[in-house]
Amino acid sequence: GAGVSQTPSNKVTEKGKYVELRCDPISGHTALYWYRQSLGQGPEFLIYFQGTGAADDSGLPNDRFFAVRPEGSVSTLKIQRTERGDSAVYLCASSSLAGGYNEQFFGPGTRLTVL
Amino acid sequence: AQSVSQHNHHVILSEAASLELGCNYSYGGTVNLFWYVQYPGQHLQLLLKYFSGDPLVKGIKGFEAEFIKSKFSFNLRKPSVQWSDTAEYFCAVNRMDSSYKLIFGSGTRLLVRP
Repeated sequence: GAGVSQTPSNKVTEKGKYVELRCDPISGHTALYWYRQSLGQGPEFLIYFQGTGAADDSGLPNDRFFAVRPEGSVSTLKIQRTERGDSAVYLCASSSLAGGYNEQFFGPGTRLTVL
Repeated sequence: AQSVSQHNHHVILSEAASLELGCNYSYGGTVNLFWYVQYPGQHLQLLLKYFSGDPLVKGIKGFEAEFIKSKFSFNLRKPSVQWSDTAEYFCAVNRMDSSYKLIFGSGTRLLVRP
């Protein structure tokens, strides 16, 4: 596609539920990133994929958060036993890393609200 | 821990005024530097980037930024702002000896009054 797409655009869930957020990167981009943006803050890194593997998952806050990218394209961020503090906008970005340059292109985000 | 500081959280300017937004980072090694902009209702877009070479970089829409290594700074400038520049601006840093993750500042909300 022309840009990074994310679905759903909005997700409202109840505390304790499981949610999945999807990211479709720019075609051909090998690197994919997830960030979380809380109100009044800049995006905060969660995890980075190079191809199918998680190259850096140091930003995942705890073991309730998990992400996959099984075929090296689409990625899913999974949150178990959601808590109210998980409410945020979840951003996905991708980059080609051509020439070693890390220019990341962001999607519109998924706004997650945990009631 | 490494961090990125944007000291101005809210800036209000009149059209045609000059703009300078500060960005400082705390890491001493080689870095790539970015400014992203988020217009109301839109997603993050890259304004400009510094990888190497000339420390004065020019971006889209008349924006520029200067990398001053000795000051660990990458301030964003525009000589004459327009109402359409109203947006939130984020500075971000990527450490070259680390993964490709970006560390963002907390952002500066710019309001330009017509």
